[in-house]
Amino acid sequence: KNQVEQSPQSLIILEGKNCTLQCNYTVSPFSNLRWYKQDTGRGPVSLTIMTFSENTKSNGRYTATLDADTKQSSLHITASQLSDSASYICVVRPISNFGNEKLTFGTGTRLTIIP
Amino acid sequence: DTEVTQTPKHLVMGMTNKKSLKCEQHMGHRAMYWYKQKAKKPPELMFVYSYEKLSINESVPSRFSPECPNSSLLNLHLHALQPEDSALYLCASSLRVHQDTGELFFGEGSRLTVL
Repeated sequence: KNQVEQSPQSLIILEGKNCTLQCNYTVSPFSNLRWYKQDTGRGPVSLTIMTFSENTKSNGRYTATLDADTKQSSLHITASQLSDSASYICVVRPISNFGNEKLTFGTGTRLTIIP
Repeated sequence: DTEVTQTPKHLVMGMTNKKSLKCEQHMGHRAMYWYKQKAKKPPELMFVYSYEKLSINESVPSRFSPECPNSSLLNLHLHALQPEDSALYLCASSLRVHQDTGELFFGEGSRLTVL
């Protein structure tokens, strides 16, 4: 069964500090992996997408890495801001004849930035 | 316009009520989705519409009835719900269902409480 596990479940850091969120997946064969940010009570918003051939991708203060051999991805947030407080969800898509209905969502990491 | 608009944002209903959730997008997307999300859990796929036709029903109870009147609108009709159906209902759209790097654009969700 395809699974996506994220760690830690929750994280609290001081404003201005950096942090790294982890995503381990068993989805195979693998097509791409997205990191979404979900503010409380809102819908998820895509931050980055990485295909199996990419190792690093940045979007402002967010940098995602991917190791397709170990099936691990990380999301690094630099110089955190209060607005970064949200849940971060890792979503993996397999290579298949199916479409988006086969996306596997991780359980998310709840990040809280404190002043 | 890269928005998916959901109404209402909040809905409280009794178990005998009939209500509807609405979703609208004007991005020309031909795939639309309903997800259910419980607190601190990832979104769970309920239905997928592709070119206004229901293509996926993830064994959702018949008290949830989806409808796609046209390519821009998606409804979820609710009847005889149970308290455990209380959740955040997310609508999403993508250009097509079968699109390898396709991004899901989510609405802000409708928070449903069943009394």
